[in-house]
Amino acid sequence: DAKTTQPPSMDCAEGRAANLPCNHSTISGNEYVYWYRQIHSQGPQYIIHGLKNNETNEMASLIITEDRKSSTLILPHATLRDTAVYYCIVRPQAGTALIFGKGTTLSVSS
Amino acid sequence: DADVTQTPRNRITKTGKRIMLECSQTKGHDRMYWYRQDPGLGLRLIYYSFDVKDINKGEISDGYSVSRQAQAKFSLSLESAIPNQTALYFCATSGGGAGYGYTFGSGTRLTVV
Repeated sequence: DAKTTQPPSMDCAEGRAANLPCNHSTISGNEYVYWYRQIHSQGPQYIIHGLKNNETNEMASLIITEDRKSSTLILPHATLRDTAVYYCIVRPQAGTALIFGKGTTLSVSS
Repeated sequence: DADVTQTPRNRITKTGKRIMLECSQTKGHDRMYWYRQDPGLGLRLIYYSFDVKDINKGEISDGYSVSRQAQAKFSLSLESAIPNQTALYFCATSGGGAGYGYTFGSGTRLTVV
C-alpha cells in the first residue's frame, strides 16, 4: 500500500488560505488520494478525493502533481472552525480498507 | 436521524466483562468498518466487512470480534475487556469502489476500569 507523509502541524491565520501538503511517492496508477478531517473527537469527515485531475468542491480544492507523487489540500478561506486534524490517505487496492496515519494538526487563529 | 448510529455513546465497564458496541447505518452501503482511536493518535482499523458474509481482520483485531447481522448492522465485541482497550471507537460505512468516501458515526467512548 502506498504510504503518505504529512507535516505534524501547521498554523494558519483566519481568512487566509490553508495549504496542506501530502507526499505519496509510491502511489500506484489506480489509487485515489483521499482527504478527511477530524474536529476534536468527532468522527472523521470526508473532504475530497481525486485520482489524477485537480478537484474542487464546496469545502476545499485538491491539487495533485502531474507525477501524482504529492498533493495539496487547499482551504481557500480558513475559519476557526477549520481547526482540526487533516488526514491524507491513499486508497489501497480494491478489497482493503482505508488506513489512517497521524495526519496534520491545523490550527487556525484570529 | 444520523446516517451512522453508534450505541452506546459512552460506556464504563470492568476488566474481564464482555461488552458489545453496536453500529447501524441508513446509507444502504455494503461496506462497514470498526476503528479505534487512542488519545493523540490516529485511527486504527480493527475489523471490516464488505458484505454480510464477509469479515476481515484489520491492523489490531486481537481481543475483538465482530458480527455482521445484516447489511445495515455491524457489531464489535470485546470478549474480556482489559484497561488498554480504553479508547474511542468509530464505526464507518462506504459504498464499493475506490471512488467512495466513508461516512463515520459519532463514536463510542469506552472506559475499562
